[in-house]
Amino acid sequence: SQQGEEDPQALSIQEGENATMNCSYKTSINNLQWYRQNSGRGLVHLILIRSNEREKHSGRLRVTLDTSKKSSSLLITASRAADTASYFCATETWTAGNKLTFGGGTRVLVKP
Amino acid sequence: DTGVSQDPRHKITKRGQNVTFRCDPISEHNRLYWYRQTLGQGPEFLTYFQNEAQLEKSRLLSDRFSAERPKGSFSTLEIQRTEQGDSAMYLCASTKEGISGANVLTFGAGSRLTVL
Repeated sequence: SQQGEEDPQALSIQEGENATMNCSYKTSINNLQWYRQNSGRGLVHLILIRSNEREKHSGRLRVTLDTSKKSSSLLITASRAADTASYFCATETWTAGNKLTFGGGTRVLVKP
Repeated sequence: DTGVSQDPRHKITKRGQNVTFRCDPISEHNRLYWYRQTLGQGPEFLTYFQNEAQLEKSRLLSDRFSAERPKGSFSTLEIQRTEQGDSAMYLCASTKEGISGANVLTFGAGSRLTVL
């Protein structure tokens, strides 16, 4: 079963605009990660945020985590055509084993 | 080390045949994972190894699926008597157990299975 659920399922924006996607999850977590997947390829890790953190930045990426609402958001600023991909959140809960549970993803299209 | 390698990249088979996928993780990574991904969905956990020990299997994994990591290096995932519902991308990922506690996965490009 999917622990994280992303919203929206699909997003279409113009190059230069910001893209925001959200992830909600159901149980307590130790960390939440975001991954990117280009069409037909493997996933690439983008950023990790731990349960005791509220916000992290990496380049044009900003991630927030609200454990009281069991939700996270990923913001991509000044998007580029190369950001076109699917984005997945993944949660890790150590009491549930050493594995990541992925959501269904947000498909982002950045139009030039 | 060029990352996680998976072979074959594509496999087309007829229903009822057996297929085997191989994964070569990053050499210093002691944890290896298999996930399955269908079109438009997120990866679904199948199983994982720490060194050569298979520590967890998804309850969704039928007895037609078996995975091994005999020497704690490469791993194989075999599907016996394939069904059309097995058509998916099979993703392998690896990580090194670290003191930080978090498992950040490095994925291979995947093996796409089509069952006719």
